[in-house]
Amino acid sequence: EDQVTQSPEALRLQEGESSSLNCSYTVSGLRGLFWYRQDPGKGPEFLFTLYSAGEEKEKERLKATLTKKESFLHITAPKPEDSATYLCAVQAVNTGFQKLVFGTGTRLLVSP
Amino acid sequence: NAGVMQNPRHLVRRRGQEARLRCSPMKGHSHVYWYRQLPEEGLKFMVYLQKENIIDESGMPKERFSAEFPKEGPSILRIQQVVRGDSAAYFCASSRKDRDYGYTFGSGTRLTVV
Repeated sequence: EDQVTQSPEALRLQEGESSSLNCSYTVSGLRGLFWYRQDPGKGPEFLFTLYSAGEEKEKERLKATLTKKESFLHITAPKPEDSATYLCAVQAVNTGFQKLVFGTGTRLLVSP
Repeated sequence: NAGVMQNPRHLVRRRGQEARLRCSPMKGHSHVYWYRQLPEEGLKFMVYLQKENIIDESGMPKERFSAEFPKEGPSILRIQQVVRGDSAAYFCASSRKDRDYGYTFGSGTRLTVV
């Protein structure tokens, strides 16, 4: 069964204090790995898709990387507005492109 | 350019009543996906629809749940005879085509069964 485990469950940072969120996955053939941001009371907002080991993508203070077993979301010099829950999801080759398997997320709080 | 619109945002139903959740995809999007988020759990896939077709309903409970995406109008997720365990946030997402990987999610409907 395809699984996604995210750690830590919660992370508290001071503004400017860089850190990384981890997403470990087990999947029978990875089609794609996704990162989303979710604010309270809102739906997930798409951030990145990664397709193969070694791939990296960046957007403002966020950088996502992918290996064969895990992905990292690096947050450089975070600001309070980066506070949110960050979700990781995988799409497996054998279950079709429509089905994402999500982790339970990392709740990030950035204090000024 | 409105995003994915879901309504109602909050829905309270008594046990045994029916719940109808509506989703209007983004303009130009013809593929709709429903996910459920239970408290303290990750989002779980329920169903994937195109206009007038259910493509994959492998994540839908076998009883009481149904979904449709008619030729005209929004997609509807229907839950009959709701129970307390149906209380959750239900999210709809849409995409332009089947290989459009970064779906756009709506803000969800929070269903509370009392």
